[in-house]
Amino acid sequence: AQSVTQLDSQVPVFEEAPVELRCNYSSSVSVYLFWYVQYPNQGLQLLLKYLSGSTLVESINGFEAEFNKSQTSFHLRKPSVHISDTAEYFCAVSATSTSGTYKYIFGTGTRLKVLA
Amino acid sequence: NAGVMQNPRHLVRRRGQEARLRCSPMKGHSHVYWYRQLPEEGLKFMVYLQKENIIDESGMPKERFSAEFPKEGPSILRIQQVVRGDSAAYFCASRTELKSSEQYFGPGTRLTVT
Repeated sequence: AQSVTQLDSQVPVFEEAPVELRCNYSSSVSVYLFWYVQYPNQGLQLLLKYLSGSTLVESINGFEAEFNKSQTSFHLRKPSVHISDTAEYFCAVSATSTSGTYKYIFGTGTRLKVLA
Repeated sequence: NAGVMQNPRHLVRRRGQEARLRCSPMKGHSHVYWYRQLPEEGLKFMVYLQKENIIDESGMPKERFSAEFPKEGPSILRIQQVVRGDSAAYFCASRTELKSSEQYFGPGTRLTVT
């Protein structure tokens, strides 16, 4: 079974400052890893994903995440945040088993609040 | 290509009534997942369906909840005799046949039980 831990429930940060949202997972099998963003009263939008290959993945709007197998982490970073980045961020894993369902296990979310 | 569609977006039901939530997956997607998001919590898996088949319903409450994905038409999540604790946002997601494909989420149905 897989589990996901997002230790920080809320992260306040000033505009143009860097931010890191932490995600740790546990799994006995290989996993795919995802970060989704949710704006108020909206659905989830995929931010970035790690399937295989390069451990550093990037999104089009400046976010990046690094898969660290030894630390079982997939932290999300952005070097300079904007007010518009204020949202809830969810880390998710799914097992890669060919017989599995590929359902997502989500963390509890981190609310990023960017301050002017 | 329209995204995942869910309706209604908001649904108010009195205790004891039935709630029907609909999800139309993205075109070409035949794998559908339902998740529930309770207030101030993350999303929890409920059920995974392919056309005409329930593949995994390990996250569904044993009573009052059912789901289907017929050959034609949207996937339906049905909650009978709703209680206040059913108040939540229900999200549907779909993906392609490719197992490594990410899931695409709909905007959700926010159910309020009064």
